[in-house]
Parts: sequence; C-alpha cells; structure tokens
Amino acid sequence: TQTVSQSDAHVTVFEGDSVELRCNYSYGGSIYLSWYIQHHGRGLQFLLKYYSGNPVVQGVNGFEAEFSKSDSSFHLRKASVHWSDSAVYFCAVSPGTGGYKVVFGSGTRLLVSP
Amino acid sequence: GGIITQTPKFLIGQEGQKLTLKCQQNFNHDTMYWYRQDSGKGLRLIYYSITENDLQKGDLSEGYDASREKKSSFSLTVTSAQKNEMAVFLCASSIPGGKSDYTFGSGTRLLVI
Repeated sequence: TQTVSQSDAHVTVFEGDSVELRCNYSYGGSIYLSWYIQHHGRGLQFLLKYYSGNPVVQGVNGFEAEFSKSDSSFHLRKASVHWSDSAVYFCAVSPGTGGYKVVFGSGTRLLVSP
Repeated sequence: GGIITQTPKFLIGQEGQKLTLKCQQNFNHDTMYWYRQDSGKGLRLIYYSITENDLQKGDLSEGYDASREKKSSFSLTVTSAQKNEMAVFLCASSIPGGKSDYTFGSGTRLLVI
C-alpha cells in the first residue's frame, strides 16, 4: 500500500518569492506521482506528473517538481510566485503498474501575500 | 473542451436522510470516481467505476451506494446522513488506468443538520 505525506499544512510567502512544497511517499515498487492544485471552492486541477525519465518535470504556470528515489520525495517548486498561486496543493501517488487507487496527501495551503 | 458537472453544488440534509449526489462528464472517459474531502485531510476514495455498469468499493464505501448506469454519469448516495456531518464530495473522471490524469468536478458541499 502506498502512502503520501505532505509535512507542511500551511506555507506563506510573498509575491515574487520562490517556494517549495514538500511531498514524501512510501511504496515498494514503481510509482506514478502527480501534483494537483485546488483553488477555493473548486475541484482539483492537474499540474504535472512523473513516472520515469528526467526526474525534473515541468508543469503549467511555471511549476516544476523533482523526483528523488533516494529521498522518496517529489517536491513541487516555483521560482517566483504570484498572488493567484494561493491555493491548496495536493501530492498524489499510485502504483506504476496500474490500478485505480490513487492516494492523495492531506494538502498544503499556500498563501501568497502581495 | 470537456466538463464535469456535479449537482447540487450545496446540499443540506437531515439526520437519517438518504441523499443523492450526481456527476456528469462529457470527456467520454471510461473511469469515474467519488472522493470525500474533509477539512484538513486528503481525499478519500469512496467508490469508483472502471466502465459503464461497473462499481468498485474504495476505502470509505461504508454508508454509501453508487450507480453507473451510463458512461457519462456516476451517482453517489449517502444511505443515512449522519448528524453534524460536513464534507465536500468530489467527482473525477479519467481514461483507464492509475497513470492517468484525473479531471475533477467542483464538488458538492454537504451539511447535515
């Protein structure tokens, strides 16, 4: 069974700052990792994903994430945040062999102050 | 582009009441899901459906029923609403397989009084 941990429930930064949102997972086999964003009152929207290849993956709106097998991590980063990036971010993992049970982390609420 | 529509957006029910939430998608996705989102917690899978007329239980299926009579729609029923229950129910769809990106609806917010 896979698990995912987002250690920071809340992160506050200023507009223009860089930010890293942390995601750690545990699973013994190949794994499929993704990040989603949820703006207030909305459903989740897909940001980016990793399964194999280049461990740094690019997503929409300047987001990128880096997979590290040694650290069991898939942290999300953005070099310069905008106030509109304020939202809740969810990391998700699922077995790389397929299957339908995606496990979501508890989310990190990012607040970008102007 | 496609869209997932969840109805109603807000649902107020009474303790013990049977409540039905509906979800429609026009992506022609085979697989659909119902998740429950509680404040400060991640999403928990209630039911999913790999294809039309298929139903699979998730980790939180007790207290819920689901129905997938058409490829485009997936309904969830709270069989007996619990007093003071408050949660957001999210519907999602995807092409088959766990490697797919999910597309989510905007949610149904449930409050039981």
